[in-house]
Amino acid sequence: KAGVTQTPRYLIKTRGQQVTLSCSPISGHRSVSWYQQTPGQGLQFLFEYFSETQRNKGNFPGRFSGRQFSNSRSEMNVSTLELGDSALYLCASSLAGRARPEAFFGQGTRLTVV
Amino acid sequence: EDQVTQSPEALRLQEGESSSLNCSYTVSGLRGLFWYRQDPGKGPEFLFTLYSAGEEKEKERLKATLTKKESFLHITAPKPEDSATYLCAVLIPTGANSKLTFGKGITLSVRP
Repeated sequence: KAGVTQTPRYLIKTRGQQVTLSCSPISGHRSVSWYQQTPGQGLQFLFEYFSETQRNKGNFPGRFSGRQFSNSRSEMNVSTLELGDSALYLCASSLAGRARPEAFFGQGTRLTVV
Repeated sequence: EDQVTQSPEALRLQEGESSSLNCSYTVSGLRGLFWYRQDPGKGPEFLFTLYSAGEEKEKERLKATLTKKESFLHITAPKPEDSATYLCAVLIPTGANSKLTFGKGITLSVRP
């Protein structure tokens, strides 16, 4: 059974650009959550999607957005990149109707903003 | 404000030297506390869920316990393969839903 797949694994972008990250959940999972992980702040919740609807959102500026497609795949977008957006972005998928802590995490996308 | 604090930030042990990792929290309406293990370059891997004070869970050399203000992850006779970052998180209500708030993690190194 394939795990959660995040693409790309690594990304280098310039300040001011935008970026789109992709997450394919485990087959049959309908809930996808996104997290940002940095050495200083640790793991912080970005948003949660279930059945193409955003159910929950963390305390991030509007430059961070996401969406979920009918096949449960999800994307997150960051516009007008800042140096501080450099981080590991993780997504997690779960079966239940609301994000559960037992969710399975992907390996993440390492974003570097220069 | 809901907070999760883990200590120490880093811990170095000799193989076989038992110890405990601490996770303290100040949360309104706790719906559960969770422990994860994260290896370098990988996403967190779920270990345990604890819901009420006094609850304990065990898995191999790991045992997690919960009180009303903190949780401990006890590691008995650790091996080098237990080296990783251990994260705790609390599930808190946000309106009709809930979200995970993580601590910053404890980096454990076990020397052979």
